[in-house]
Amino acid sequence: EDQVTQSPEALRLQEGESSSLNCSYTVSGLRGLFWYRQDPGKGPEFLFTLYSAGEEKEKERLKATLTKKESFLHITAPKPEDSATYLCAVQAEGTGRRALTFGSGTRLQVQP
Amino acid sequence: NAGVTQTPKFRILKIGQSMTLQCAQDMNHNYMYWYRQDPGMGLKLIYYSVGAGITDKGEVPNGYNVSRSTTEDFPLRLELAAPSQTSVYFCASTPSPAVRNYGYTFGSGTRLTVV
Repeated sequence: EDQVTQSPEALRLQEGESSSLNCSYTVSGLRGLFWYRQDPGKGPEFLFTLYSAGEEKEKERLKATLTKKESFLHITAPKPEDSATYLCAVQAEGTGRRALTFGSGTRLQVQP
Repeated sequence: NAGVTQTPKFRILKIGQSMTLQCAQDMNHNYMYWYRQDPGMGLKLIYYSVGAGITDKGEVPNGYNVSRSTTEDFPLRLELAAPSQTSVYFCASTPSPAVRNYGYTFGSGTRLTVV
């Protein structure tokens, strides 16, 4: 069974204080690892997909990296508008439905 | 605006009542999904569809039903609502999971309370 564990559950940062969110996964065969941002009362918003160990992707202050067992979402010099819940999900190989298995998320609060 | 539209946004049901959550997408995506999200938990897959006329169960299908008569619409039916179905429901779509660097597009959700 595919499993995704995110840590920490919650993180409070001061504006400009860089940090990393962790996503550990267990999957029979990884086709892709997804990062989403979710604001309160809204649906998840796509950020990145990573496909192979060593791959990195960046978007503004966010950089996602991938190893064979985990992914990190690095947040550099965060701003209050980066406050949100960040969700990690995996897509397994060999399943016709190609659905995503989600972690429970990390709630990030960035204080001015 | 292109995207996934869910209605209603909020609903309160009494135990034993039934309702249909609507989901429509205008991006001509073949794959559509229904997830539920409980507080502090990840999204759980209820049902999915790989094209019109084709549906199948996800991890938590009990108490729900779906149909897919068109590419655009994927309604979720709750029969005999129970308090355990209190949750936020999200619909998502993707053209084909084989398309790289294309995330699944989610609707804004339906918040359902069963009392």
